[in-house]
Amino acid sequence: AQSVSQHNHHVILSEAASLELGCNYSYGGTVNLFWYVQYPGQHLQLLLKYFSGDPLVKGIKGFEAEFIKSKFSFNLRKPSVQWSDTAEYFCAVEAYSSASKIIFGSGTRLSIRP
Amino acid sequence: DTAVSQTPKYLVTQMGNDKSIKCEQNLGHDTMYWYKQDSKKFLKIMFSYNNKELIINETVPNRFSPKSPDKAHLNLHINSLELGDSAVYFCASSQGTGARSGNGYTFGSGTRLTVV
Repeated sequence: AQSVSQHNHHVILSEAASLELGCNYSYGGTVNLFWYVQYPGQHLQLLLKYFSGDPLVKGIKGFEAEFIKSKFSFNLRKPSVQWSDTAEYFCAVEAYSSASKIIFGSGTRLSIRP
Repeated sequence: DTAVSQTPKYLVTQMGNDKSIKCEQNLGHDTMYWYKQDSKKFLKIMFSYNNKELIINETVPNRFSPKSPDKAHLNLHINSLELGDSAVYFCASSQGTGARSGNGYTFGSGTRLTVV
């Protein structure tokens, strides 16, 4: 069974700082990888996804993530954060199996100081 | 024009009651899901239906019973509510079972259930 680990539970940054949120997964086979964002009081929205091809994927709002297969990692990055990026960020993995399902990490709360 | 809509948005009820949460999607997807998000924001899948057929049934108390009258609807009925059922319940949908398309899921806005 697949699992996802997000090592940072709460990250606090100042505006314009660079961001990197760690994500590692465990599964020996082919996976799809996702980052979702949940703004306060709202539902989850897809930030970006990796399905195949170029391991560096770009998403909405200036976010990007890099899939490193050898490290089972899919870290999220943004060169310069804004106050509006304050939210909960979830890494997720979907394994190719007979009944595929998206498994979420425990989330990283990002707080941006204005 | 909401893609995945859930009702109600908030639900406060007493222990022991039976309640239902409804979910509808207008995306033409054929797979729908229920996730539970606890107070620590941890998201856990509960059920998945593909074309009205149950395909994922995680370790969930049998007080929880999903019902899919058609592929655009997936309702969640909960019997004998307990304090520990308090959480935010998210409905989601995807095209197919998801893995081959890699499109991820579209989530509803959630139902905050509070059991008192």
